[in-house]
Amino acid sequence: DIVMTQSPDSLAVSLGERATINCKSSQSVLYSPNNKNYLAWYQHKPGQPPKLLIYWASTRESGVPDRFSGSGSETDFTLTISSLQAEDVAVYYCQQYYSNSITFGQGTRLEIK
Amino acid sequence: QVQLVESGGGVVQPGRSLRLSCAASGFTFSRSAMHYVRQAPGRRLEWVAVIWSDGSKKYYADSVKGRFTISRDNSKNTLYLQMDSLRAEDTAVYYCARKNPEGAFDIWGQGTMVTVSS
Repeated sequence: DIVMTQSPDSLAVSLGERATINCKSSQSVLYSPNNKNYLAWYQHKPGQPPKLLIYWASTRESGVPDRFSGSGSETDFTLTISSLQAEDVAVYYCQQYYSNSITFGQGTRLEIK
Repeated sequence: QVQLVESGGGVVQPGRSLRLSCAASGFTFSRSAMHYVRQAPGRRLEWVAVIWSDGSKKYYADSVKGRFTISRDNSKNTLYLQMDSLRAEDTAVYYCARKNPEGAFDIWGQGTMVTVSS
């Protein structure tokens, strides 16, 4: 299985400041025929199901605020929240869907400083 | 509206069985591959199984292979997860989720809790 490792495990950022979460895969999730990275980011709040934020590493899901952005390729990826809002407090997960055995990172807990 | 509504969770003894259901509405269920994902207390999200839109292909996590069976009834817009030989480590919130055309999970059920305990 492809192992997904996120860093840091937890993060405290002041309101209005930038938050950056990293995700590394144990093998490339870039599918060469279409040059797409099969990497998604999800936001998970207590008592709610996960919410899709980003797919193909950098494409924002419809309705997701533009302060959320994704970048990276092959094995190294980043989720950036440009200006943290109170409602962004959550656990964030990266996910690879390159292989039929889908795997998630361990999650990064984002809090307000 | 677009939604997935889950049911069937509960408390069950080790070694027993349970079947989860996931009713879809607001989108063309028969054209969508569907997944189950679970989250044990204090653990990361864990993918469990996927079934193709027409039911022709199914894949499972190693942790549930041979014990869990994913199925669907497109005439009823419903996804199922049959869980047999349940173990304590299967205790988790179980989510059904739709795979979007790009491959990510864009619609999720509200989750149903399964507790395996004697």
